[in-house]
Amino acid sequence: GENVEQHPSTLSVQEGDSAVIKCTYSDSASNYFPWYKQELGKRPQLIIDIRSNVGEKKDQRIAVTLNKTAKHFSLHITETQPEDSAVYFCAATGELSSKIIFGSGTRLSIRP
Amino acid sequence: GAVVSQHPSRVICKSGTSVKIECRSLDFQATTMFWYRQFPKQSLMLMATSNEGSKATYEQGVEKDKFLINHASLTLSTLTVTSAHPEDSSFYICSAREEYTEAFFGQGTRLTVV
Repeated sequence: GENVEQHPSTLSVQEGDSAVIKCTYSDSASNYFPWYKQELGKRPQLIIDIRSNVGEKKDQRIAVTLNKTAKHFSLHITETQPEDSAVYFCAATGELSSKIIFGSGTRLSIRP
Repeated sequence: GAVVSQHPSRVICKSGTSVKIECRSLDFQATTMFWYRQFPKQSLMLMATSNEGSKATYEQGVEKDKFLINHASLTLSTLTVTSAHPEDSSFYICSAREEYTEAFFGQGTRLTVV
């Protein structure tokens, strides 16, 4: 079945440095890749997404890249700030299947 | 973004009883709703996908007779945990999407079975 692998499971970076989270998906029919941020005890919130007809998308300090050939996509956060500390989930879904499959999550900690 | 409302946010029930959780899309018609279960410090595990007016599609390993899902309208889906046991204690969260768009999440329900 569909599977999304996410690495690393935990990530600690110095405030101001960059953080990168990587995901791999198995279903070649996937064409929509959202990223969610979940703070403790709260619902996941969409922070950025990318569709398969685009290789890169940027929104201020957050960027996502997609390599459809390799079935890889990554989240890049630059100039990290304390409020970036949270759990981040990648996900993949497609036109033929409405299921959204999540990666295992990355717990990001920003060191002051 | 669109609003998805989930109730209750917390519920404590006795072992053997049933609990119903509601998920509503407030400002859009959700063609598809999803139910997830999340254990502490773990990812969102998809339990089932429901489309309005049709039976839910359950993921492998999820007991359909234990987790009853009803998607009666384009704005409401319910999850009923039947004959709850302590091991059913978890965080349950729904999400809803219009066709081929992003999904929005409800607030989640923390279920504690005592």
